[in-house]
Amino acid sequence: QKEVEQNSGPLSVPEGAIASLNCTYSDRGSQSFFWYRQYSGKSPELIMFIYSNGDKEDGRFTAQLNKASQYVSLLIRDSQPSDSATYLCAVIGGSNYQLIWGAGTKLIIKP
Amino acid sequence: EAEVAQSPRYKITEKSQAVAFWCDPISGHATLYWYRQILGQGPELLVQFQDESVVDDSQLPKDRFSAERLKGVDSTLKIQPAELGDSAMYLCASSLAVGGMGIQYFGAGTRLSVL
Repeated sequence: QKEVEQNSGPLSVPEGAIASLNCTYSDRGSQSFFWYRQYSGKSPELIMFIYSNGDKEDGRFTAQLNKASQYVSLLIRDSQPSDSATYLCAVIGGSNYQLIWGAGTKLIIKP
Repeated sequence: EAEVAQSPRYKITEKSQAVAFWCDPISGHATLYWYRQILGQGPELLVQFQDESVVDDSQLPKDRFSAERLKGVDSTLKIQPAELGDSAMYLCASSLAVGGMGIQYFGAGTRLSVL
């Protein structure tokens, strides 16, 4: 059973601080990694994707991938109250290229 | 900006009734997905289409759920009869890439409540 694990939270971070979200995956053959943001009652919205080891930055967001350790993380700098949401990690891997989802981490940014 | 269209946004039904959800993917997207998401969990894939063909429906409860994408464009997901445990968010997503490797873009979803 291929799995993607996330801490369910909630993770509480002061406004302006760095929020760090982590995700581990079990399938060593996984190839593509995605972070989606989901506000309560809304559908998932793509934030970042990363395919190669290392860091990928987009504005206040940085995705980090370490395939050897099988984890992917998302850093949010200068956290804003509008960043409060559930962050879903999703991984593509295996022979059928199915997207495997974590259960999400609830992030709360405190003003 | 192109979007995945879904309707209805909300649906309340009684158990044993039939319900149907509609999805129109982003133009040109060959791959279409239907997911079910229960509160506090990640999305669960129900069915994946490549054009008009079903690629994966291994998690679709076929005794009560059906899905079709007859012309390879829009799609319908049906539940008959609905059960209390079907209450969830039903999400449609589409992807430009073939074979499931591409980025998936989601519609607004349909929130189903079965009473």
